[in-house]
Amino acid sequence: DSGVTQTPKHLITATGQRVTLRCSPRSGDLSVYWYQQSLDQGLQFLIQYYNGEERAKGNILERFSAQQFPDLHSELNLSSLELGDSALYFCASSASGGQSYEQYFGPGTRLTVT
Amino acid sequence: GQQVMQIPQYQHVQEGEDFTTYCNSSTTLSNIQWYKQRPGGHPVFLIQLVKSGEVKKQKRLTFQFGEAKKNSSLHITATQTTDVGTYFCAGDNAGNMLTFGGGTRLMVKP
Repeated sequence: DSGVTQTPKHLITATGQRVTLRCSPRSGDLSVYWYQQSLDQGLQFLIQYYNGEERAKGNILERFSAQQFPDLHSELNLSSLELGDSALYFCASSASGGQSYEQYFGPGTRLTVT
Repeated sequence: GQQVMQIPQYQHVQEGEDFTTYCNSSTTLSNIQWYKQRPGGHPVFLIQLVKSGEVKKQKRLTFQFGEAKKNSSLHITATQTTDVGTYFCAGDNAGNMLTFGGGTRLMVKP
């Protein structure tokens, strides 16, 4: 158990809909990262927040947005969903803002768009 | 942008055989991390290499960082069924972004 929690575990929704994925980092970690992993694919970095502020942005679509709240939990919002958005979404946390620190991954949310 | 390539994509081995995965970056890295993801699981941090030419060992696993800090390898001696999973390298070019390689999926026949 990494100490990072993600909800929900599974999500099935229709094209065009909007969903919100939630992540709580390990106690004391200030950074939260979001990754997308499609079937048999690698990890695509989406976005990083550090202590409430956006720190780094990767290949995140304009239809996707994220935020980190004062209690450090984070939410990833996916809108106008398409079939290709079906994937495993991981949240990870680390102690510091720099990505040189090891990241602790949550169990992931499996999103299925039908 | 920075690219991190990993080979091979898949590897089948007989239990007891050795296994190696290679990671190459298009840019010089400040450090490299390795993660393991078991089937159905999430990535788990294994190790970080920082120095040029660094070699670190964890039991049967040997990690190397190239002299030019652009490549790395993970070698597993005498694989076991518990080694099954996908091994990812992740390179940090000090640009505040960790770039993951595509991973090498290791399958071990008992």
